[in-house]
Amino acid sequence: EAGVAQSPRYKIIEKRQSVAFWCNPISGHATLYWYQQILGQGPKLLIQFQNNGVVDDSQLPKDRFSAERLKGVDSTLKIQPAKLEDSAVYLCASSIPQSEQYFGPGTRLTVT
Amino acid sequence: AQSVSQHNHHVILSEAASLELGCNYSYGGTVNLFWYVQYPGQHLQLLLKYFSGDPLVKGIKGFEAEFIKSKFSFNLRKPSVQWSDTAEYFCAVSASSARQLTFGSGTQLTVLP
Repeated sequence: EAGVAQSPRYKIIEKRQSVAFWCNPISGHATLYWYQQILGQGPKLLIQFQNNGVVDDSQLPKDRFSAERLKGVDSTLKIQPAKLEDSAVYLCASSIPQSEQYFGPGTRLTVT
Repeated sequence: AQSVSQHNHHVILSEAASLELGCNYSYGGTVNLFWYVQYPGQHLQLLLKYFSGDPLVKGIKGFEAEFIKSKFSFNLRKPSVQWSDTAEYFCAVSASSARQLTFGSGTQLTVLP
């Protein structure tokens, strides 16, 4: 079974630039999550999708972050404009009901 | 909202030593509990999980954890660690009614050969 795929694996941008991350969940997993993991901290949930609908985006900084999952499969997370404090690893995870979450390798973002 | 505390930020042990990593959570309702591990250069992987039933949960690679509801704790244990257990360990909790995970800040375990 293929795991959660994410790209790119690394990205370096200057502040005020925009960036997008892509995630393809495990086939058949209806629930998709985006997490932000700042160095030295545990992952923090940004947004949760159930199919193509948003379940929880209460911790997503909506003035600069956006996410979509238009066809209920893969998803993109965008930051525009980026700030220095957005430097982090962005993790995507997916799950089926009553099961654990499976994580992708993450995208390491450095904002200079 | 729930929160998770992991008491040890960095633990250093010699091979064959016993391990216990502390995890406490705060949430008033029914919870699901998890330990995830991140080996160097790899992604987060599930070690073990507790949904209901026997509070002593056995996971992969000889790890186990005990859910003590009265103490709001879910400590991770292994009787004899190996060099290959060197990794970062994260405790996480979700409310049973939802599936979002709240993670602790992680414990870096270094096992010396």
